[in-house]
Amino acid sequence: DAGITQSPRHKVTETGTPVTLRCHQTENHRYMYWYRQDPGHGLRLIHYSYGVKDTDKGEVSDGYSVSRSKTEDFLLTLESATSSQTSVYFCAIRMNQHLYNEQFFGPGTRLTVL
Amino acid sequence: QQQVKQSPQSLIVQKGGISIINCAYENTAFDYFPWYQQFPGKGPALLIAIRPDVSEKKEGRFTISFNKSAKQFSLHIMDSQPGDSATYFCAAGGSNYQLIWGAGTKLIIKP
Repeated sequence: DAGITQSPRHKVTETGTPVTLRCHQTENHRYMYWYRQDPGHGLRLIHYSYGVKDTDKGEVSDGYSVSRSKTEDFLLTLESATSSQTSVYFCAIRMNQHLYNEQFFGPGTRLTVL
Repeated sequence: QQQVKQSPQSLIVQKGGISIINCAYENTAFDYFPWYQQFPGKGPALLIAIRPDVSEKKEGRFTISFNKSAKQFSLHIMDSQPGDSATYFCAAGGSNYQLIWGAGTKLIIKP
């Protein structure tokens, strides 16, 4: 257990509203990731962070922003949600002490945009 | 060059049989190849991983076979059990701390 929690676990919102998803870790890992998972697409990287205030874009970053003001929290914001952002969102961390790129996942947030 | 192609999309295997899932990659800079298992409503969980300096890695009933020249790797599940029914993802990673993911294989083990 990598000590990762995500909140909320489920959310239904309307098109055009802002939404923020939170990922929290308890073990001070440097790398954190946000993915979305859709049928037939596997996991697609939205944004990732390699330290406090250090973030970078992934392959599907349009429409999303992130912030990391503390090591333990990585926030994903949909500024104006669209129906195409209906998905399951997973946060992941890379363990500091591991040599390779093993990533460990949180339980996910199911987001529905009506 | 960044793609990882996974097949089949779905697979049905009888209990006790061997389940085989295949992945192919393009980028020769990849040096880490994990497999993840995901049950409904849960996040993916690391199952087994291999580096390109070995051709096979076995952990219990799960084996990764790796063919560097063909740029392919596969997951074999021996003596498949109903509890192995899940979605399996392959991935590939390099030095940039990112993973490129296959599209997933839904495995059903029939009792």
